[in-house]
Amino acid sequence: DAGVIQSPRHEVTEMGQEVTLRCKPISGHDYLFWYRQTMMRGLELLIYFNNNVPIDDSGMPEDRFSAKMPNASFSTLKIQPSEPRDSAVYFCASSPREYLGAEAFFGQGTRLTVV
Amino acid sequence: DAKTTQPPSMDCAEGRAANLPCNHSTISGNEYVYWYRQIHSQGPQYIIHGLKNNETNEMASLIITEDRKSSTLILPHATLRDTAVYYCIVRLPYNTDKLIFGTGTRLQVFP
Repeated sequence: DAGVIQSPRHEVTEMGQEVTLRCKPISGHDYLFWYRQTMMRGLELLIYFNNNVPIDDSGMPEDRFSAKMPNASFSTLKIQPSEPRDSAVYFCASSPREYLGAEAFFGQGTRLTVV
Repeated sequence: DAKTTQPPSMDCAEGRAANLPCNHSTISGNEYVYWYRQIHSQGPQYIIHGLKNNETNEMASLIITEDRKSSTLILPHATLRDTAVYYCIVRLPYNTDKLIFGTGTRLQVFP
């Protein structure tokens, strides 16, 4: 398996523009997580899905952020409108369903810069 | 989740064992200890986890004290590629229990 695949790897956009980050989880994994990493706040869990259903979005910073998982092999994180403070590295991770198989596999991340 | 405390940074000579401590004095009886690491510019990588017995895999060993209030991750022969931030996380072994990262320990392996 190629692992968790995120695209794009780098994104530079102007303030006010819509940004869409994409994630393809590992096949067969039932859980998908979106994290954000900044120097100031470290790694923060934004939202996670189980079987394509959002379970906990309490980490989503505000209404400008939305996430979807239309099928088991694809998820998006959208920011509209984007602001400079959204600049960060966004990671997607997936995890299998097994009881003790709680290890999560992370993608390489998308580095977002909002200017 | 129980909180964990880790030193912010550590150094280790290449080829020597790196011992990374973690305190988790409020851990509950059914919570596991997980270790992840993050090499610069990459996503976090799972290393190992355990409940109360010592664990070993191809990457590292995990030593958990008998009272489970602390643990140590051991990299037996550190290499330069082991330079990374290491996170100790305490949580239940279910995906519905969030994987929450603290500030971790920045391990620098030097030649």
